[in-house]
Amino acid sequence: TQLLEQSPQFLSIQEGENLTVYCNSSSVFSSLQWYRQEPGEGPVLLVTVVTGGEVKKLKRLTFQFGDARKDSSLHITAAQPGDTGLYLCAGAEGSQGNLIFGKGTKLSVKP
Amino acid sequence: DAGITQSPRYKITETGRQVTLMCHQTWSHSYMFWYRQDLGHGLRLIYYSAAADITDKGEVPDGYVVSRSKTENFPLTLESATRSQTSVYFCASSESKASGNTIYFGEGSWLTVV
Repeated sequence: TQLLEQSPQFLSIQEGENLTVYCNSSSVFSSLQWYRQEPGEGPVLLVTVVTGGEVKKLKRLTFQFGDARKDSSLHITAAQPGDTGLYLCAGAEGSQGNLIFGKGTKLSVKP
Repeated sequence: DAGITQSPRYKITETGRQVTLMCHQTWSHSYMFWYRQDLGHGLRLIYYSAAADITDKGEVPDGYVVSRSKTENFPLTLESATRSQTSVYFCASSESKASGNTIYFGEGSWLTVV
């Protein structure tokens, strides 16, 4: 079974700071997704990356898929309190495989 | 647009009781999933379904039963609830299982087994 390790597990920062969250595996994934989950709600998809080395930007969020498709990172520039939440990465096992989720990074951005 | 809805949102039950969590989606998505989310474990797949009358086990299926008589509904039953099944349960759906496809989650059902 492929495993996805996320780090850090918890992150508490001040508004305006930058941060990076990492998602690592020893296995290759056909695609990797990042979700954000707010308290009391289900996860919501932020982005999907499928090509090794791919970089995608979503406003202040930058997502990168590693060249070998084993890891990914999420960078947030000038974090805001609205970015607070649980960030989950999820990798697909093969072209039709089930999604494997990391345990998540709980981000708290204080005003 | 109702999307995907779960009921009940909150449930407390006793050990040994049967509990059914309901899930309904309005998108006519082929695939539906049940996950549980626990501290220290993240989201784990319990069961999934590719279409009506087609279901398959996920990572942690023991103690759970699913059915899918209609495309839009995917109930999850705990036949004899145990304390270890205290968790937050999420139903989800997607158009396909192809890599990179979007999965849409419900708001979750909080289950406590006492």
